[in-house]
Amino acid sequence: KQEVTQIPAALSVPEGENLVLNCSFTDSAIYNLQWFRQDPGKGLTSLLLIQSSQREQTSGRLNASLDKSSGRSTLYIAASQPGDSATYLCAPGAFSSGSARQLTFGSGTQLTVLP
Amino acid sequence: DAGVIQSPRHEVTEMGQEVTLRCKPISGHNSLFWYRQTMMRGLELLIYFNNNVPIDDSGMPEDRFSAKMPNASFSTLKIQPSEPRDSAVYFCASSPLAGGPKYTGELFFGEGSRLTVL
Repeated sequence: KQEVTQIPAALSVPEGENLVLNCSFTDSAIYNLQWFRQDPGKGLTSLLLIQSSQREQTSGRLNASLDKSSGRSTLYIAASQPGDSATYLCAPGAFSSGSARQLTFGSGTQLTVLP
Repeated sequence: DAGVIQSPRHEVTEMGQEVTLRCKPISGHNSLFWYRQTMMRGLELLIYFNNNVPIDDSGMPEDRFSAKMPNASFSTLKIQPSEPRDSAVYFCASSPLAGGPKYTGELFFGEGSRLTVL
């Protein structure tokens, strides 16, 4: 059974800092990995999707890397802003019933960016 | 484009009552998922459908939970009878069908239905 760990559980940084969120998973037989953002009381917003054959994906100030063999992914946020404050969730996707269906979620990293 | 639409956004009910949560997936998405989020257990997959057919319901916690997808644009998750431990946020998500031309593996979530059972 896939287990996903996200470190740290909570992080508070001053505005402008670059930061790294870590995700590790126990089963490396994944199809892809998604990083999501969740604001309080809201749904999940997909930030980046990395296919298992890829090493990294970038979107604006966000960069996600994937090392499938070691079961690790990192989300790098450059020049953090107060609007980045949210919970960030990592979810590797595994094959299920012949298709990539099963996403297993980590417990998230709660990020606070102080102005 | 409209995203995944869930209703109600909030539901407060008493123990023993029937609860029905509703979901409209993104048009053209043939896979639909129901997740539950709690502080203790995080996000858990309850059940998912491909082309309106339930594929994996191993995450459904008990027989009190049931889900249906009568057509491609509507799904329900029903809890009968409800219990206080069912209190959680229930999310619906959708994606194009795996193996199809639009499939990337990306999942799109609704805003969730927050259920409180007293």
